[in-house]
Amino acid sequence: DTGVSQDPRHKITKRGQNVTFRCDPISEHNRLYWYRQTLGQGPEFLTYFQNEAQLEKSRLLSDRFSAERPKGSFSTLEIQRTEQGDSAMYLCASSPDRVYNEQFFGPGTRLTVL
Amino acid sequence: QKEVEQNSGPLSVPEGAIASLNCTYSDRGSQSFFWYRQYSGKSPELIMFIYSNGDKEDGRFTAQLNKASQYVSLLIRDSQPSDSATYLCAVKGTGGFKTIFGAGTRLFVKA
Repeated sequence: DTGVSQDPRHKITKRGQNVTFRCDPISEHNRLYWYRQTLGQGPEFLTYFQNEAQLEKSRLLSDRFSAERPKGSFSTLEIQRTEQGDSAMYLCASSPDRVYNEQFFGPGTRLTVL
Repeated sequence: QKEVEQNSGPLSVPEGAIASLNCTYSDRGSQSFFWYRQYSGKSPELIMFIYSNGDKEDGRFTAQLNKASQYVSLLIRDSQPSDSATYLCAVKGTGGFKTIFGAGTRLFVKA
């Protein structure tokens, strides 16, 4: 399977705990995105990487959220001190280095904060 | 005003009919426009993208773009029950690589 993969697929945690999600993009894609999606809404942009450089970050992203892509391949998204409002589907997408920027999504990680 | 607006639906069409999904956007300088299909509990799947005014056809799907009216649409011909899903419109704006998604339109195709 050469698509985008994400791990874990589901995560249940207690409020206040830290969680980390991993995304492996399509191997030849330089661009990687993280989104958050809640029920009835479209994906909400969180951050964007071009290779290992984090070039854009949503102003909605609080200091509790951090993302890395250390070698320009896989990426991690960490949420510190989780809150119930963080419960959502976290989606990763990757795209080739083309002007049109078409993105291909992974299966997502569903986070539930109790 | 939302950056990307879609009618939430649900839009219900009989099997074999044409389904027409619409989207408007606020950034006049937007460059690329995408349609994604999302089944319940699944992640978005790219259907097609368009970047110049006019129509673009791919099988049963046709995307239409009118930059002057800031309007993009998706037509699904010969609709099938398997087309029942939420259709997301997405727009890449003028700055950077941020892509803004609409909230989606739910489509039901009745057998």
